[in-house]
Parts: sequence; structure tokens; C-alpha cells
Amino acid sequence: AQTVTQSQPEMSVQEAETVTLSCTYDTSESDYYLFWYKQPPSRQMILVIRQEAYKQQNATENRFSVNFQKAAKSFSLKISDSQLGDAAMYFCAYRSGGASGAGSYQLTFGKGTKLSVIP
Amino acid sequence: DSGVTQTPKHLITATGQRVTLRCSPRSGDLSVYWYQQSLDQGLQFLIQYYNGEERAKGNILERFSAQQFPDLHSELNLSSLELGDSALYFCASSVGPSSPDEQYFGPGTRLTVT
Repeated sequence: AQTVTQSQPEMSVQEAETVTLSCTYDTSESDYYLFWYKQPPSRQMILVIRQEAYKQQNATENRFSVNFQKAAKSFSLKISDSQLGDAAMYFCAYRSGGASGAGSYQLTFGKGTKLSVIP
Repeated sequence: DSGVTQTPKHLITATGQRVTLRCSPRSGDLSVYWYQQSLDQGLQFLIQYYNGEERAKGNILERFSAQQFPDLHSELNLSSLELGDSALYFCASSVGPSSPDEQYFGPGTRLTVT
């Protein structure tokens, strides 16, 4: 079974600064996807960014980018120019690529990192 | 707004009771996933339906069941409720079993069992 580990329960960053959230995962699969979800105080789960394991290029979405190290099974999220609205819980999630043919793509989540943004 | 709707937003009930949570997926999405978020267990996958058929089961208790109807909305039924069932229940939808199959979450139903 796959596991996802987020070793930083809480982090803080000054407004306008850059912060990196860590995530490691364990899998024997070669085909998979990794995601970062944001959960603000409203509790809504919001997809932030996606990375395909077969892609060497790191994904980027505006101020959000990832550092995907496949051999190390590491998938960190970098938030640049942090804003007050970035304050939230951030969850790293793993999804099988579906090579097994089962056709189910359930997400396995880490425990989350609570990010505070200091004005 | 993800386009996924869940009702009710909040639910307070007593131990031993039965409740039904409802989810309407985004337009065009055929897959529905149910997740439970609790303080001690974190976010856990419960069950998935695709186009009306059960596709996968996760850590779902036997007291819980779900179904997906022809109009693709889904219901999660929780029975013989216990205090430990208090949690936030999310529904997520996606297009279907094809990559990357991103899942979009509804706002959740907060269940409190007293």
C-alpha cells in the first residue's frame, strides 16, 4: 500500500516570502500522480497543483511550483510571494496511475501541514 | 466553487441513528468518491462509484453504504451511528477512469453524533 508522509505539522512564513512544504511517499509503482490540495478555514478542499510521475519537468501554477524527485520519492511544494490567503492546511496526495486496470483512482493523503502567513 | 454540491452542510444526530448524505457531481463527471476527514484518522478514502457501479472500497465500515443513481448523484448512508463517526464527509467527482482524472471536492458535510 502506498503511504504519504508530511513531516512538518506546522509552518509559518512572512508575507511576500517563499516557503517550501515537504512531502515524501512510498510506492512500488512507476506510474502515478501526485497532488497538493489546500484546505482553508472554510474546509473546502482545493486542488493546487498536479505532477505526473512520467514527467521530468516540475509542475508550476502561478506562484505555486513543485520539486519532484522521483528517485528520492519526494514531492515538495514551493509557494512564492506568500499572501495572507495562502494560510491553510496543505495536503499532499498520491494517486495510482491505474496500470493495474482496476480503474479506481482514490487518493491517499498525508496528514497535512498547517501554514500560517505572518503579515 | 468546484461545481460539486453536497447536502446537508451540517448534520447533528444521536448515537444509533441513521443518516443519508447526498452528493451531486460536476456536470459531465461520471466518478464519485467519498472521503472521511477526522482528527485522528485524517483524510481517508471510503468508496468510489463510476457510472452507477461500485468501483473501489477503502476503509469503509460495514455500517456504511453508498450508491450512485442513474442521474449520477450519490448518497452515503451511515447507520447505527457512534460518537466516533463524527467527522467531515467529502464527496469528490472526476470525469472517469482516465488520466489524469483530477478530483474536485464538494464543500463537505459536517456530521456530529451526540
